[in-house]
Amino acid sequence: GAVVSQHPSWVICKSGTSVKIECRSLDFQATTMFWYRQFPKQSLMLMATSNEGSKATYEQGVEKDKFLINHASLTLSTLTVTSAHPEDSSFYICSARSNWGLAGSSGANVLTFGAGSRLTVL
Amino acid sequence: DAKTTQPTSMDCAEGRAANLPCNHSTISGNEYVYWYRQIHSQGPQYIIHGLKNNETNEMASLIITEDRKSSTLILPHATLRDTAVYYCIVRVENNNDMRFGAGTRLTVKP
Repeated sequence: GAVVSQHPSWVICKSGTSVKIECRSLDFQATTMFWYRQFPKQSLMLMATSNEGSKATYEQGVEKDKFLINHASLTLSTLTVTSAHPEDSSFYICSARSNWGLAGSSGANVLTFGAGSRLTVL
Repeated sequence: DAKTTQPTSMDCAEGRAANLPCNHSTISGNEYVYWYRQIHSQGPQYIIHGLKNNETNEMASLIITEDRKSSTLILPHATLRDTAVYYCIVRVENNNDMRFGAGTRLTVKP
C-alpha cells in the first residue's frame, strides 16, 4: 500500500528559529500533497495544498510567509515554520493522494497520511 | 461541501460490533462518503468510502441509506486497538483535499 513518511517525528526548538518538516511519498508519485495542523484535543485543520513545481495554495488565515512550502519533486514536500514561536507548537501532518485502496473499494482519491511531526517551541 | 454531523463519543465492548453513525443531509449527488480514523498521536488512516452502494473491506462496512442523507460505519468485531477518533467526510471524488470535522471518539472497553 501507499506510504507517506514524515521527518522528523518530533522536534523541539527555541523561539525565533526555523524548523523544516519533510513529507515523502515512498512508493508513489504525488503531484499534490496537503499540510494539516492539529492542536491538542482539536481536529485536523487544512493549512495548505502543496503542488509540485508551483506555488502552494494556502487556506484562509494561514500566513504563507510564516509557513513556507516547497514541493520540488513528485515525492517530496517540505514545510518550514519560520521564526517559530510557542503558539506554533502543534502536531503537523502531511498527506498525499494515491490510487491505492483496500480490497473492496475503488481506491480512487484516497489520501494517505504521514505519522505526523510534533513541534514544540520553547 | 456537505456538512457532516457525528456523535461526540461512543463506547463499545470488545468483540462486539461498533456502529458509528454520520448524518449528511445536504449531500450532493456527486459527493462520496469517506471514513478515516485517527489513533492517538498518529496520522489519520483511511478506512472506507462509498457513493450510494454499501461497501465492505477488510476493516469495516459502510452502510449508506437510500436517500444518502446518512451512513453508518460498522466495525464488526471491535478490538481495543480500534479505540480512535473516527471522521466521516463528504467530498466530491475528484477533489483532492479532505476537511475534517470533530469526529466521534470511539472507546472500546474490555
